[in-house]
Amino acid sequence: DQQVKQNSPSLSVQEGRISILNCDYTNSMFDYFLWYKKYPAEGPTFLISISSIKDKNEDGRFTVFLNKSAKHLSLHIVPSQPGDSAVYFCAAETYTSGTYKYIFGTGTRLKVLA
Amino acid sequence: EAGVAQSPRYKIIEKRQSVAFWCNPISGHATLYWYQQILGQGPKLLIQFQNNGVVDDSQLPKDRFSAERLKGVDSTLKIQPAKLEDSAVYLCASSRMGEFNEQYFGPGTRLTVT
Repeated sequence: DQQVKQNSPSLSVQEGRISILNCDYTNSMFDYFLWYKKYPAEGPTFLISISSIKDKNEDGRFTVFLNKSAKHLSLHIVPSQPGDSAVYFCAAETYTSGTYKYIFGTGTRLKVLA
Repeated sequence: EAGVAQSPRYKIIEKRQSVAFWCNPISGHATLYWYQQILGQGPKLLIQFQNNGVVDDSQLPKDRFSAERLKGVDSTLKIQPAKLEDSAVYLCASSRMGEFNEQYFGPGTRLTVT
């Protein structure tokens, strides 16, 4: 049962344009979400996060939007740069059995074309 | 500061053989995580340590997987015997005590079971 879903396995965008990566979740108890970026042969690195008390969080070129009623979040990258080409994972934080853990989506491979 | 170190980076073994992975977390990080990332999927938490104690191993296949973190620093993850479906990237991450949202990942070990 995939509780965090990224339905687009890949996305190609022209340099300078906006990249929009989407993520859906099924558990309304999730209240903290994160985006990680992963380059080949490297571990994921934290990009941006959002708490369920907000509907938007911005950090430079990266903005994450959260729509709790739709159980949907999106990552916007503006403007996109070739160095943004990577796999992006969204993750939901959950607290069960006395500990926190992440549930990751399957990832979206972003390719920014020069 | 030095990042999370993992070795080996790549390993190829035959099914039914055993294999071990090593992780050295960031200095001062009390919490250590092992994730399994199968191709096309997001990372899945296998086990979480707080110092040298296990906090969560609910998704660890205990009939073949084992992990330890002696002295609360380095950790090893072992698979014995390996199956074809164990082919994956094994990621180690660490965080400071109480800073669950600040997980830093190592580069991973890519395991191929033939």
